[in-house]
Amino acid sequence: AQRVTQPEKLLSVFKGAPVELKCNYSYSGSPELFWYVQYSRQRLQLLLRHISRESIKGFTADLNKGETSFHLKKPFAQEEDSAMYYCALRDYGQNFVFGPGTRLSVLP
Amino acid sequence: ETGVTQTPRHLVMGMTNKKSLKCEQHLGHNAMYWYKQSAKKPLELMFVYNFKEQTENNSVPSRFSPECPNSSHLFLHLHTLQPEDSALYLCASSQRPGDTQYFGPGTRLTVL
Repeated sequence: AQRVTQPEKLLSVFKGAPVELKCNYSYSGSPELFWYVQYSRQRLQLLLRHISRESIKGFTADLNKGETSFHLKKPFAQEEDSAMYYCALRDYGQNFVFGPGTRLSVLP
Repeated sequence: ETGVTQTPRHLVMGMTNKKSLKCEQHLGHNAMYWYKQSAKKPLELMFVYNFKEQTENNSVPSRFSPECPNSSHLFLHLHTLQPEDSALYLCASSQRPGDTQYFGPGTRLTVL
């Protein structure tokens, strides 16, 4: 069965430091992976999707099929990046399977 | 508020009560979803509707009963819930199943 794991519940970094939020998945087919973000007191929203190969708010994520990973990276973290980040996979049935989430805290 | 709205935002109910959660989307989308987000589990898909037809029931207990009268409205009827059903219930919509989902703010449900 498809599954998404995010090994870190909480990740703290200092402002200006690089940040990497890890995501691994298990899926038998060709996956489509997404990152969703939830800022404090805001609703869950799409951050980026691997198929777009875009950079949003300085974040990028590369799908590594060999390692079944889709880690989210940013070279220089900002305080406004503090949020809850969810990795998600879209399955054959077009449904989303979400990971447990990682809370990113960017310290001043 | 535009986008996806949910009411009520907070709900406290006893195990013998019957209540309903409401979701409304103003985005012209055709697919709507109910998710459950509890403290110790990832976001769990409960139901999917596409053009008012239920296309997914993710083994949800019958004490949760969804209703989708039209593409803009989605309800979740609750009866004889258990304390472990306490969670944040999120509604989402998308143009089609599998497209980017837009989430509502959620209803925080507490079952006493």
